[in-house]
Amino acid sequence: AQSVTQLDSQVPVFEEAPVELRCNYSSSVSVYLFWYVQYPNQGLQLLLKYLSGSTLVKGINGFEAEFNKSQTSFHLRKPSVHISDTAEYFCAVSDPRGGRRALTFGSGTRLQVQP
Amino acid sequence: GAGVSQSPRYKVAKRGQDVALRCDPISGHVSLFWYQQALGQGPEFLTYFQNEAQLDKSGLPSDRFFAERPEGSVSTLKIQRTQQEDSAVYLCASSFRDLNEQYFGPGTRLTVT
Repeated sequence: AQSVTQLDSQVPVFEEAPVELRCNYSSSVSVYLFWYVQYPNQGLQLLLKYLSGSTLVKGINGFEAEFNKSQTSFHLRKPSVHISDTAEYFCAVSDPRGGRRALTFGSGTRLQVQP
Repeated sequence: GAGVSQSPRYKVAKRGQDVALRCDPISGHVSLFWYQQALGQGPEFLTYFQNEAQLDKSGLPSDRFFAERPEGSVSTLKIQRTQQEDSAVYLCASSFRDLNEQYFGPGTRLTVT
């Protein structure tokens, strides 16, 4: 079974500072990896995804993530955050070879950008 | 043209009532998923459809939960005899094919009193 651990439940950061949101996964097989963002009272929006190929993935709104197979990590980074980045961020995995098509999500990290 | 829509956005039910939550996926999307998101948690998988076939319902927490997608488009999640622990946001997502990006609706917030 897969599981996803987001090590930080909340990350406060000042505007224009860099940020890293951590994600580790547990799986015995190759997985697809995703980061979603959720603004208040809205559904989830895909930021970026890793399916195969280059381990550095660039997404929307200036976010990027790096897949590290040996450390089973997929940390999300942004070099300079804005107030508008304040939201909940979820890391998720899916198994491309198994019968289950669902995403398994972490518990989320609340990014709080302060002026 | 929009994205995935869900209705109602908010639902308050008395314990023991039945509720029905609707999901309209993006036109042409074959796959449809339901997730349950408890307060302060990540979404948890409930069930998955490919067209009208329910291929995975392993996440449904009890036999009070039932989902259907009779024509392979709109889906309804029904909860019978609601309990307080059913209070959550119910998210619907659709994708063009298996393993493609899932597009999420805004969710239905269910509160059972």
